[in-house]
Amino acid sequence: DTGVSQDPRHKITKRGQNVTFRCDPISEHNRLYWYRQTLGQGPEFLTYFQNEAQLEKSRLLSDRFSAERPKGSFSTLEIQRTEQGDSAMYLCASSPWVISGANVLTFGAGSRLTVL
Amino acid sequence: AQRVTQPEKLLSVFKGAPVELKCNYSYSGSPELFWYVQYSRQRLQLLLRHISRESIKGFTADLNKGETSFHLKKPFAQEEDSAMYYCALRGHTDKLIFGTGTRLQVFP
Repeated sequence: DTGVSQDPRHKITKRGQNVTFRCDPISEHNRLYWYRQTLGQGPEFLTYFQNEAQLEKSRLLSDRFSAERPKGSFSTLEIQRTEQGDSAMYLCASSPWVISGANVLTFGAGSRLTVL
Repeated sequence: AQRVTQPEKLLSVFKGAPVELKCNYSYSGSPELFWYVQYSRQRLQLLLRHISRESIKGFTADLNKGETSFHLKKPFAQEEDSAMYYCALRGHTDKLIFGTGTRLQVFP
């Protein structure tokens, strides 16, 4: 296990096209998170899963965004009808879930999206 | 509202100088605070968390609930400390809320 893997690393698309990103978390981690990061900003929370259940979704996430984790392992983040404002780095992270809290997130390298 | 504020976008120091990266938070409950670091061309990674009360790479951070701060400190900066530093808060749910980050530049 080499950590959290994200694919593709870079995606260039035209406005209006759909894109999908994939994240493979650390195998024993049952929590998976998606963040978005734009230039000069910190990571911004999008959504997270515990196993296959989507537990929280940011209000910033429009209806064009959807995330799934069908078998509680890998996850996909799809953006429909992309807009130039969607250009960002999309980060995936995973963590074990510990009742006592203080779960540490392990991040992937990110998927950079450029919408022309 | 849950918020993390890092007032400095850039902090430049010379090697051997003390460093303090500021972080203030807004949270109504009992927070969990973290510092994450991103070195050039590397992934975002955990540096330290307040509950561990640990020193990592010479860095320490003390949670001050009265001032709602969690400043990151190091007495003698090294060139290899140059990186982006993000303060993060875990609030009511399990997500982390990040600040905008501070770029630390350590000159030789």
